[in-house]
Amino acid sequence: GESVGLHLPTLSVQEGDNSIINCAYSNSASDYFIWYKQESGKGPQFIIDIRSNMDKRQGQRVTVLLNKTVKHLSLQIAATQPGDSAVYFCAESHTGNFNKFYFGSGTKLNVKP
Amino acid sequence: DTAVSQTPKYLVTQMGNDKSIKCEQNLGHDTMYWYKQDSKKFLKIMFSYNNKELIINETVPNRFSPKSPDKAHLNLHINSLELGDSAVYFCASSQTQGQTQGAQYFGPGTRLLVL
Repeated sequence: GESVGLHLPTLSVQEGDNSIINCAYSNSASDYFIWYKQESGKGPQFIIDIRSNMDKRQGQRVTVLLNKTVKHLSLQIAATQPGDSAVYFCAESHTGNFNKFYFGSGTKLNVKP
Repeated sequence: DTAVSQTPKYLVTQMGNDKSIKCEQNLGHDTMYWYKQDSKKFLKIMFSYNNKELIINETVPNRFSPKSPDKAHLNLHINSLELGDSAVYFCASSQTQGQTQGAQYFGPGTRLLVL
């Protein structure tokens, strides 16, 4: 099967600082990537996505960077807020693998007030 | 106006029982999924239906049987429940355009505990 992400690590940041969450993937054919946020007791929530024809995509306070050379994906959160505390997952898929997404093991983000 | 809804939210049952989980989406998507999330938060796809047709069937025991009566519904029936089936089950949906997938939107999850 696919190998995406790391064992669940924890990232602690101070409120107002920027956060960077990293994800590695193993399938060089992957061409579509999504970041999800999962709060305790809830389902994963779509944050931002990026296709392999792009290196960077920005949303509201979030930026996703894709480095296909080293098969690495990152999520940057600007001015992190307590409400950003959650587990963040990256997911990858490729067009030839119809709708099958592989999820990383997640990173827990703790925002200290 | 919940986009993807699941029932029940919690399910506690005895080993050997048969149970069903229901999922409905009102996003107009053509593809629906079932995922299992274990105690370590690892999310693994189980099934996917596109326009009521099964397109993904991962290595899942045949005690698990999905059913899609229409594009907006995907139910999961589990026979002879085992302790290892305890997990959170998420339904999701997406819209597909040709061979390109759209983002998946998840339901709130069903927390299954088998005693």
